[in-house]
Amino acid sequence: AQTVTQSQPEMSVQEAETVTLSCTYDTSESDYYLFWYKQPPSRQMILVIRQEAYKQQNATENRFSVNFQKAAKSFSLKISDSQLGDAAMYFCAYKGQGAQKLVFGQGTRLTINP
Amino acid sequence: GAVVSQHPSWVICKSGTSVKIECRSLDFQATTMFWYRQFPKQSLMLMATSNEGSKATYEQGVEKDKFLINHASLTLSTLTVTSAHPEDSSFYICSARRRRGAKNIQYFGAGTRLSVL
Repeated sequence: AQTVTQSQPEMSVQEAETVTLSCTYDTSESDYYLFWYKQPPSRQMILVIRQEAYKQQNATENRFSVNFQKAAKSFSLKISDSQLGDAAMYFCAYKGQGAQKLVFGQGTRLTINP
Repeated sequence: GAVVSQHPSWVICKSGTSVKIECRSLDFQATTMFWYRQFPKQSLMLMATSNEGSKATYEQGVEKDKFLINHASLTLSTLTVTSAHPEDSSFYICSARRRRGAKNIQYFGAGTRLSVL
């Protein structure tokens, strides 16, 4: 079974600085999808960024970018110019090509220091 | 963007009663909906996967008779917690995946906080 590991339970960063959240996963599949979701205090899950495994180019969405290392099974999230509104729980998630469900990591709580 | 509406956002009920939570995809058709449970400061735990017009597939350890899921249309799924007890108190979240152009993205509702007295 696939597993997703987020080794950083908590992270903090100064406002306007850059922070990287780590995620590793275990799978024997070659085609799959990876996601980062954000859960702010409101608890509404929000999709931050998505990566297809067959694409070598790292996905980017404005201040959010990923470092996808397929061989190392690593999928880190970089947040540039951190803002107070970025404070949230961040979950890394995996979905197999033929699967319906997402496999979530344990989450990383990100604090932004003003 | 795709919007998933979940109601109620918070419900308090007495032990032994049943509670129904609704999950609606407002601007898209959802072939598949998912129900999660989240304990404080923990990740999401998938309870069941629901495909429109068919029976839900429950994850191991989830009681089918306690957590009844109905996905009667492409825009509505319901979770009924039957004979609720205090240990059922939790945060329940639904998500939905588009019928077409899915990009394999799940869109989430805002969640329901259930408190059983």
